[in-house]
Amino acid sequence: QVQLVESGGGVVQPGRSLRLSCAASGFTFSSYGMHWVRQAPAKGLEWVAIVSYDGNNKNYADSVKGRFTISRDNSKNTLYLQMNTLRIEDTAMYYCAKISGRDGDNEIDYWGQGTLVTVSS
Amino acid sequence: DIQMTQSPSSLSASVGDTVTITCRASQGISTYLAWFQQKPGKAPKSLIYSASSLQSGVPSKFSGSGSGTDFTLTISSLQPEDFATYYCQQYNSYPFTFGPGTKVDIK
Repeated sequence: QVQLVESGGGVVQPGRSLRLSCAASGFTFSSYGMHWVRQAPAKGLEWVAIVSYDGNNKNYADSVKGRFTISRDNSKNTLYLQMNTLRIEDTAMYYCAKISGRDGDNEIDYWGQGTLVTVSS
Repeated sequence: DIQMTQSPSSLSASVGDTVTITCRASQGISTYLAWFQQKPGKAPKSLIYSASSLQSGVPSKFSGSGSGTDFTLTISSLQPEDFATYYCQQYNSYPFTFGPGTKVDIK
């Protein structure tokens, strides 16, 4: 069955960097695009970024553009989110999510359990 | 950017009730609309894609409809496990955006 396991979260000071990972299993990782979605404490969901199956196409939310980089290593079945110049408002649970791959559309079918990032001085 | 709104923001219902949640996009998104369910402390779960298609394993008590700018999620015969927060999301154009959520709780 599809499994997505995030890691790399923690407490970090403003301005510092952090890299999140999402280990995928139970499907052919290299065939599917992937998303990162985040949720600030007691807030709603916010889409962060998307990467195509081959890593060649990426898009970002305006709130993270220029600071965050989504990438993947298909040989390791792993998705990444490099987060630089972190801000207080980046504090959130970060979820990776798999694209269903139906008809070339980008809807999510599976979610990981999330990793918590806290940006605090 | 496309703004998504949901109404109501919260509702109280009884076991066995049928409830309807509305999601509106600030511009047309065809049927590139998904619905998710989230319970407290848990990851979201995918329910519906393409506005009206059920994800694998999702019971038929959940149904979606709409196209363009106006969409609905209907949950029939509410059971205790259905009390949760529901989010819509458009994936028609970047940046993809979520609605603010609708919390369904027990009356």
